[in-house]
Amino acid sequence: EVQMLESGGGLVQPGGSQRLSCTVSGFTFSSYTMSWVRQAPGKGLEWVSSISGSGGSTSYADSVKGRFTISRDNSKNTLYLQMNSLRAEDTAVYHCAKKSCNNCHGYFDSWGQGTLVTVSS
Amino acid sequence: EIVLTQSPGTLSLSPGERATLSCRASQSVSSSYLAWYQQKPGQALRLLIYGASSRATGIPDRFSGSGSGTDFTLTISRLEPEDFAVYYCQQYGSSPYTFGQGTKLEIK
Repeated sequence: EVQMLESGGGLVQPGGSQRLSCTVSGFTFSSYTMSWVRQAPGKGLEWVSSISGSGGSTSYADSVKGRFTISRDNSKNTLYLQMNSLRAEDTAVYHCAKKSCNNCHGYFDSWGQGTLVTVSS
Repeated sequence: EIVLTQSPGTLSLSPGERATLSCRASQSVSSSYLAWYQQKPGQALRLLIYGASSRATGIPDRFSGSGSGTDFTLTISRLEPEDFAVYYCQQYGSSPYTFGQGTKLEIK
């Protein structure tokens, strides 16, 4: 059974930083592209970033490019999202999501429940 | 960027009825790379449909997807109490991957 557990959310001031983690089990972590998808309170879903199975290829939404960095540690089955220069509009529940394949057009076949990041003074 | 527009925003139906949810894309979705997800409060999102019409593992056959190009539909043939939730469509054919704004399916 695939399990995905996010952590690291909390209250952070505008301009601050936060690092999110997503620990997974139940599949061969290094064989799949992983992503972060966020959901602002009462809003829809927004893809944030993806990273290939090896970690060698990354992509970002324009809204976070240059501020967020996605990474992974395949030895620890853990995905990360380093968020810098946070803004109020980054307030959201951040979900990690497993893509159905690696380096391909794939849907998200497993999701974590998410961790809430609130950016406020 | 492909914009997905879902309709209606809210759908009020009774258990046993048929639900039809629409997802329209601003441009053609390549190779029918269109997925549908279900979201319930406090739960992880659940994949229902991928490739516009293929049911994900463990999804009951009352859920079906159809469509191609710019118009896609999720149909729930006979609503069960556990089907009342928010549904999102998503295209994964071109970057950035985008989602519709969601359709809330509520009990009438």
